[in-house]
Amino acid sequence: EAGVTQFPSHSVIEKGQTVTLRCDPISGHDNLYWYRRVMGKEIKFLLHFVKESKQDESGMPNNRFLAERTGGTYSTLKVQPAELEDSGVYFCASSQYEGNEQFFGPGTRLTVL
Amino acid sequence: AQTVTQSQPEMSVQEAETVTLSCTYDTSESDYYLFWYKQPPSRQMILVIRQEAYKQQNATENRFSVNFQKAAKSFSLKISDSQLGDAAMYFCAYRRTRSNDMRFGAGTRLTVKP
Repeated sequence: EAGVTQFPSHSVIEKGQTVTLRCDPISGHDNLYWYRRVMGKEIKFLLHFVKESKQDESGMPNNRFLAERTGGTYSTLKVQPAELEDSGVYFCASSQYEGNEQFFGPGTRLTVL
Repeated sequence: AQTVTQSQPEMSVQEAETVTLSCTYDTSESDYYLFWYKQPPSRQMILVIRQEAYKQQNATENRFSVNFQKAAKSFSLKISDSQLGDAAMYFCAYRRTRSNDMRFGAGTRLTVKP
């Protein structure tokens, strides 16, 4: 069974540009989560989807971040315009039911220059 | 607010020896879960071990065990008979029951020396 996949694995962009990260959860997992780890710090929760609906987006840092999950399958996280402080590793995770074990993807390393 | 603290940014252990990674957390909740995740270099983060706060017995998974001290809000991970494949970043995490918001520590990078 395929795990959670994320694309791209690395992205280097300039300040002011736009980047879109993609996450494909494990098939059948209704719950999808985005997290971010800024350099050397803890991994922080960004938001949680249940199918295509945003259940909790309390961790989204500001309105430059837009997450979508059209059709309740894969999800995208767009950063527009990117700022230097957005650099970090963005993790996606999925779980079959709320409260179940979350399975993590390998992360996307974003570098904003 | 719930916070998770890992005070050891880096640790190293000799192959076949035992190492303990520290984790403390802060919460006013009585019902929650604690986790240790492992992220090998360039690979996915995987769950190593999980502890329910209502259980007094420490969780164990083969060579991995925890020392859960609820009153002290401490949740350390012990790796016995360390292997080269144990080298990874280890994250301690907390999740309140009936919540999907995981709180992570900053991680401890474990090096295993042959």
